Amino acid sequence: EPEVTQTPSHQVTQMGQEVILRCVPISNHLYFYWYRQILGQKVEFLVSFYNNEISEKSEIFDDQFSVERPDGSNFTLKIRSTKLEDSAMYFCASSDLPGTSSPLHFGNGTRLTVT
Amino acid sequence: QQQVKQSPQSLIVQKGGISIINCAYENTAFDYFPWYQQFPGKGPALLIAIRPDVSEKKEGRFTISFNKSAKQFSLHIMDSQPGDSATYFCAATISNSGYALNFGKGTSLLVTP
Repeated sequence: EPEVTQTPSHQVTQMGQEVILRCVPISNHLYFYWYRQILGQKVEFLVSFYNNEISEKSEIFDDQFSVERPDGSNFTLKIRSTKLEDSAMYFCASSDLPGTSSPLHFGNGTRLTVT
Repeated sequence: QQQVKQSPQSLIVQKGGISIINCAYENTAFDYFPWYQQFPGKGPALLIAIRPDVSEKKEGRFTISFNKSAKQFSLHIMDSQPGDSATYFCAATISNSGYALNFGKGTSLLVTP
């Protein structure tokens, strides 16, 4: 079964550094998402992306965050200047149809640790 | 403001028993209510979902009950098995917003042998 793959599985960075989290969505999917999960807490929506544009973003997704689809297969989340509170598991997800017409598939996440 | 409230936080059920997890939502515009199952080290995986035009949906041992007037929905796991031990999240969204899901805080389920 096709999977959403995320790399790296764990990334450690120092406060103030830039970090890029990478995702390869399922190949025929067109709708892409980033979520985060702070340890022991609920999963939170960050941003949705379609046709090379942000469709929707949460209040968490401030100017420190950006997303990009640099080529036909990758989808990235960049945090410009990491803070301690950015430490979380970041999940990429994708779907092939608009709205909720088809299931959302999550990757296994990248654990980001900011020291 | 917490859009989706989930309870209980944790649940221990004996093998063969029924596990029940409840969620309540605030926004009456929500029209898609999925449940996700998450194992340690993995991403959430869709278990079952319901839309408000039906009051119940069953898939195998998993059933969602939906009460639109009370703005509540629940997951029932019949004949619970040790392999069901995981964290379960309810969520809600407005379909036109795609998957800008509002998640509950999760329920850690342990099914004992």
